[in-house]
Amino acid sequence: AQSVTQLGSHVSVSEGALVLLRCNYSSSVPPYLFWYVQYPNQGLQLLLKYTTGATLVKGINGFEAEFKKSETSFHLTKPSAHMSDAAEYFCAWAGNTGNQFYFGTGTSLTVIP
Amino acid sequence: NAGVMQNPRHLVRRRGQEARLRCSPMKGHSHVYWYRQLPEEGLKFMVYLQKENIIDESGMPKERFSAEFPKEGPSILRIQQVVRGDSAAYFCASSQIAGNTEAFFGQGTRLTVV
Repeated sequence: AQSVTQLGSHVSVSEGALVLLRCNYSSSVPPYLFWYVQYPNQGLQLLLKYTTGATLVKGINGFEAEFKKSETSFHLTKPSAHMSDAAEYFCAWAGNTGNQFYFGTGTSLTVIP
Repeated sequence: NAGVMQNPRHLVRRRGQEARLRCSPMKGHSHVYWYRQLPEEGLKFMVYLQKENIIDESGMPKERFSAEFPKEGPSILRIQQVVRGDSAAYFCASSQIAGNTEAFFGQGTRLTVV
């Protein structure tokens, strides 16, 4: 089945450290891939997306992600974590029909002061 | 331009009652998507609607759940005879064009069944 997999349901980093959240996709066709952030009791906010073109995608709040077809990955990174980055992060794939997103199970990011 | 508006934000229903969740898409958006988020899980697609049409309901439970998006007014997700397992956060997203690559999400309705 085509889907996305997020490795690590919980990630903890120190403030100022590198953030790396992993996402792998399973698709036989070029995917549209997204990262969303969800703060407690809030909706989803789009961080960034990859559709076509440049494989390194920059998003909001200093986040970026690189689409690597050879590794079927779309990992999310941020060079320096901030306390306000603590949230749930979801990787998503827009399926072949475009009718729906397939979401990963999420990674909860904790930032340690 | 207001975002996607969902109401109520929180809804408590007793087992057997009906729950009605509303979603007003962003201005100019005619495509609406509903997702359900169970505790400790990601979002799961339920249904995709355009004005007056259900396009894809492959994620909808076969019984008790229905959705509509009338010509006028918000999209409604209706759950009849709710059970404890229906307790979840229900999110609506909207897009201007078909295909949800440009979808924007609402803040969700958190349904608690007691």
